[in-house]
Formats: sequence, structure tokens, C-alpha cells
Amino acid sequence: GQNIDQPTEMTATEGAIVQINCTYQTSGFNGLFWYQQHAGEAPTFLSYNVLDGLEEKGRFSSFLSRSKGYSYLLLKELQMKDSASYLCALRDDKLIFGTGTRLQVFP
Amino acid sequence: EAQVTQNPRYLITVTGKKLTVTCSQNMNHEYMSWYRQDPGLGLRQIYYSMNVEVTDKGDVPEGYKVSRKEKRNFPLILESPSPNQTSLYFCASSLASPHPTGELFFGEGSRLTVL
Repeated sequence: GQNIDQPTEMTATEGAIVQINCTYQTSGFNGLFWYQQHAGEAPTFLSYNVLDGLEEKGRFSSFLSRSKGYSYLLLKELQMKDSASYLCALRDDKLIFGTGTRLQVFP
Repeated sequence: EAQVTQNPRYLITVTGKKLTVTCSQNMNHEYMSWYRQDPGLGLRQIYYSMNVEVTDKGDVPEGYKVSRKEKRNFPLILESPSPNQTSLYFCASSLASPHPTGELFFGEGSRLTVL
């Protein structure tokens, strides 16, 4: 089976950097994904890691360590619009979502 | 515009009254899936479909049915809804099982309340 752990809530200040961690245990692994979900809206795809290392996309980066069962999403130059839930999702033969981390960005 | 469309977006119904939530995608995706989202439990998969006439149970299939008669449509059927099926439902699609880049395209969600 799979188990995914993320912090429930985080807060940060506009302009700052925040790191959202995700740890997992799984019997199979074919990739780890991050999705963003604003309140009341659908999740939207942010990033995908299948190999160890850092994937950078503008202000957002995602890191994966398969040996440690660990990933993080790094958000730089935080903006108010980044206030949302961030979902870590694990793929073995299907896609399993974590419960998400609710990030609040304050001025 | 590429999209996944769900209907209805909001529905209040009563226990036992059969209902269908429709889902349609215009991206020619093979893979489609239904999730429910509940506070503290995250997104949980109900059913998924790898292609036409191929459906499989997800993690929480009890009380639900699906069909995939056409590639674009994947309706979710609640034959006899109960209050524990009150939830936010999302339909999603992608190119394959799922697409190697992991990009699931989600519908806007259907908020269902069963009284």
C-alpha cells in the first residue's frame, strides 16, 4: 500500500520562500506529482518528478529523493495568489493523493 | 478550449433518489477518473477507466457506478444516494494511465449534498 504525509497547514509572508515537504512509503513508484488547489476550485498540475533531483519551473521547484521517500515543493517570491492547498500525489499503478498542505500567504 | 465539463456543479438531493453526475472531455483522452474530496481525507479515487468499455474500482467504489460507452463521457451514477456520499466530486482525464507527465486535467467539481 501507500502512505503519504504532508503538513496540514503552513503560513508565510509575501515575498518569502516556503518549502512544503512530502514523505511517502510505497511498494511501487513511478513518479511524484504536485498539484495546486485554490479553495473551491479544481486541482491544477504544478510539477512531476520521476528521477532524483530538482525540477525548476519559474518560481516553483520540486525536489525528489527516492531513496529517502521524500519530496518538497519550493515556492519563491511568494505572492498572495499562492495561498492555496498543495497536494502531493504518488503514482504506482494509479495516482494516490496526499491530504494536502494549506498555505496561507500574509502581506 | 481543452476542458473537462461536469454537471451539475451543485446538487441537493434526498436519500435514495437516483442521480447521475455527467463528465465530458474534449481532449480525446483515454484515461478518465472520478474522485471525491472530503475535509481531512484529501482526494480519494472512486472509479477509473483506461479506455472505452474498460472501468475499474478505485479506493472508495461502494455506492457508485460508472460507465464508459464513449471515449469522451464518463458519468458517475449514485443508484441510492446516502448522506455519507455528501462530498465534492471531481472528474479528471489524461492521455494515458495516467499520462507520464502526470498531468491530470480536472473538471470544476460537483458539490453534492444528500439529505
